[in-house]
Amino acid sequence: SQTIHQWPATLVQPVGSPLSLECTVEGTSNPNLYWYRQAAGRGLQLLFYSVGIGQISSEVPQNLSASRPQDRQFILSSKKLLLSDSGFYLCAWSPGQFGDQPQHFGDGTRLSIL
Amino acid sequence: DAKTTQPNSMESNEEEPVHLPCNHSTISGTDYIHWYRQLPSQGPEYVIHGLTSNVNNRMASLAIAEDRKSSTLILHRATLRDAAVYYCILRAAWGGSQGNLIFGKGTKLSVKP
Repeated sequence: SQTIHQWPATLVQPVGSPLSLECTVEGTSNPNLYWYRQAAGRGLQLLFYSVGIGQISSEVPQNLSASRPQDRQFILSSKKLLLSDSGFYLCAWSPGQFGDQPQHFGDGTRLSIL
Repeated sequence: DAKTTQPNSMESNEEEPVHLPCNHSTISGTDYIHWYRQLPSQGPEYVIHGLTSNVNNRMASLAIAEDRKSSTLILHRATLRDAAVYYCILRAAWGGSQGNLIFGKGTKLSVKP
């Protein structure tokens, strides 16, 4: 069966520091991968999605970036964190991008910026 | 993107059925109806999806109106663990950015013992 792993579960970082969040999927190949953010008390916002290695689409311009160095690895990065980057970051995967294919989410990383 | 409308909150008693409504009057003929739920401090969990016919799985049932302008997620016997925010989302059939999930505010379901 397929599983998705995200780490770390929680992270506290100072303003201006770099960020690297990692997500890996097991048990499938060539998945679609997604990064979402959920700010406190708000809905989920899609940040990036990827349909293949090296292919990244950004939904919202911000100081974050994403990379997909391997088929089942998705990384969210920032060179300099802002206070507004605090939130709950979720990685998800889907067998494809078609409408009949559900997305499956990881357990998330709770990021606090001080 | 076609939008959905859900009540902000609903209450249910434990062990009773729950019907969570969703309106999607601008749905296109090729949009799938997806339901997800998010328990406190967890990532969303896929519940069920359908296109035209009613669907059943181990978690829930999805009843889709004949004109597809509304749907209802049915939890047959609510438990305390079903307390969550439930999201009804339309997902375009053909992929690309239109195939991405757009989360609204959902319905917060409370279950009373």
